Amino acid sequence: DIVMTQSPDSLAVSLGERATINCKSSQSVLYSANNKNYLAWYQQKPGQPPKLLIYWASTRESGVPDRFSGSGSGTDFTLTISSLQAEDVAIYYCQQYYSTPGGFTFGQGTRLEIK
Amino acid sequence: QLQLQESGPGLVKPSETLSLTCTVSGGSISSTNHYWGWIRQPPGKGLEWIGSIYYSGSTYYNPSLKSRVLISVDTSKNQFSLKVSSVTAADTAVYYCARPAVPGDHWYFDLWGRGTLVTVSS
Repeated sequence: DIVMTQSPDSLAVSLGERATINCKSSQSVLYSANNKNYLAWYQQKPGQPPKLLIYWASTRESGVPDRFSGSGSGTDFTLTISSLQAEDVAIYYCQQYYSTPGGFTFGQGTRLEIK
Repeated sequence: QLQLQESGPGLVKPSETLSLTCTVSGGSISSTNHYWGWIRQPPGKGLEWIGSIYYSGSTYYNPSLKSRVLISVDTSKNQFSLKVSSVTAADTAVYYCARPAVPGDHWYFDLWGRGTLVTVSS
């Protein structure tokens, strides 16, 4: 199994400041045949299901504010919120979908709070 | 607009079988090439994929749960179901049904049910 490890486990950032969450996979999730990274990011607020933010490591889902961006390749990835808003308080998860079928795995989550 | 809704008992006794159903509305479960999945989340913990099913009945299961899990589909009712046998307190979780964003084998999920909490307790 590909193990996904996020850092930090929790993060407190001031409103309007940048938030950065890291995700590392135990093996590469870059598929050489199409040069795509099989990595997604989700946001989960209390009492709600996860919401897809980013897929293919850097493609923003429709309707997701452009302050959210994803970057990285291979085994190291980053979710960046450029200017933190109050509504961004949530737990964020990365997920690899390189392993198929059904071998996808999630990171343990990063809790983002307001400082 | 396609929607998913989980239903089933919120309390199950240890050693018994947990049974949940996901009802698909706003579209047909058999009209797309998607696999339909179950994912769970223990209270305060992360996400764990349980298994997925195609409308034809083809299934994939998480190897760690495979011996206790059965997923089935009823296309006439536009539903798919989950059974987890011999449950323990470790099976206490919010159970989500979900559908991947695109058909095929590489699954990231853009459609989720609201989730249902199942507690295993005597």
